[in-house]
Amino acid sequence: DAGVTQSPTHLIKTRGQQVTLRCSPKSGHDTVSWYQQALGQGPQFIFQYYEEEERQRGNFPDRFSGHQFPNYSSELNVNALLLGDSALYLCASRGTGNTEAFFGQGTRLTVV
Amino acid sequence: SQQGEEDPQALSIQEGENATMNCSYKTSINNLQWYRQNSGRGLVHLILIRSNEREKHSGRLRVTLDTSKKSSSLLITASRAADTASYFCATHLGGGNKLTFGTGTQLKVEL
Repeated sequence: DAGVTQSPTHLIKTRGQQVTLRCSPKSGHDTVSWYQQALGQGPQFIFQYYEEEERQRGNFPDRFSGHQFPNYSSELNVNALLLGDSALYLCASRGTGNTEAFFGQGTRLTVV
Repeated sequence: SQQGEEDPQALSIQEGENATMNCSYKTSINNLQWYRQNSGRGLVHLILIRSNEREKHSGRLRVTLDTSKKSSSLLITASRAADTASYFCATHLGGGNKLTFGTGTQLKVEL
């Protein structure tokens, strides 16, 4: 079992650009959540996807959007990147009815 | 905003000693979970304690929960250098599924 996999591992983008991050959930999991973790802080919830729909959203602007595919994998898109978007982006998956979330290794995004 | 606050922010101990980290939170919860993070990488789930539980053990880990004080503690016994990491508490409020994390405790275990 590969667990939760995220790609890419690291990414450098320029202000104003757009970025897409990808996540494959753990086998058997159907719910995917995305978190942003700034340096020295705890992860902050961005949104959650289940059955290809956004089910819950944190306090993030509309520049942050996502998608879930029929195979449960997910993408996080960020438009009009700001320097403050530099962070570790974590994807977590869980199965229906389970509370424990399994996290991927994250994508380190640097905006210059 | 952060739901929880861990205390201390940083802790340095010798191998073999016990490490205790505390977490306080603000609202009623469904359960509380502890995670470990090595060097800014992914989070590893350590233990979950439900709101109707007071204490839980898993190997060298002991977690307590006091819902009246809205606080939890994580005890790592007989620490090892490999325990060096950041530790986060996360609350699950029920209804939704998001986890709300605290600010973390950086633990360093020295040989």
